[in-house]
Amino acid sequence: NAGVTQTPKFQVLKTGQSMTLQCAQDMNHNSMYWYRQDPGMGLRLIYYSASEGTTDKGEVPNGYNVSRLNKREFSLRLESAAPSQTSVYFCASSVITGGVRNSPLHFGNGTRLTVT
Amino acid sequence: AQKVTQAQTEISVVEKEDVTLDCVYETRDTTYYLFWYKQPPSGELVFLIRRNSFDEQNEISGRYSWNFQKSTSSFNFTITASQVVDSAVYFCAPKKSLTNTGNQFYFGTGTSLTVIP
Repeated sequence: NAGVTQTPKFQVLKTGQSMTLQCAQDMNHNSMYWYRQDPGMGLRLIYYSASEGTTDKGEVPNGYNVSRLNKREFSLRLESAAPSQTSVYFCASSVITGGVRNSPLHFGNGTRLTVT
Repeated sequence: AQKVTQAQTEISVVEKEDVTLDCVYETRDTTYYLFWYKQPPSGELVFLIRRNSFDEQNEISGRYSWNFQKSTSSFNFTITASQVVDSAVYFCAPKKSLTNTGNQFYFGTGTSLTVIP
């Protein structure tokens, strides 16, 4: 059982380049999330998808786009990378249906992105 | 607006001591859940324990215990008999909504715990 899988694990981009971070979960969760983690800032929510076919902005959505490709996959795209987007990115998933409202987040292992 | 505060940025304890991590969640919501996560030096995020806002009884799970004081919106997380493997950053994360859609988990800035052998 792989849980939440993120690719790539590391990436270096030059300013202005684009890339897509991939995330897939095999736990049949309906909600998926993208966070970024910066020193001293904790984790900040970029975008989330409560269910297949829906996406919503979180705290820091500027400069990012997302696609909920199907129930398993949720990708994060940087159209024109900037040095301020240097961070560690985490994908997560959770069950939010019926009475399972206190289900925790399950995280991937993170993608360390550097923009020069 | 919601605000989650972990005032302790760094804590050091000697092995076998008990340690309490504080989290204050300011919100107008009357019912919510709050989660604690651990991030060891290897970087992964691991779910530890959850608590709701409408039950003020203490909870214990192994060496972890959990105290919620509704009057101050304060969630105190205690590790009993700390071990070196407990060295990590600990995050509290309230869940904004209890509805089936629009759930958002917000994270505090974390408390870095070092357990000295």
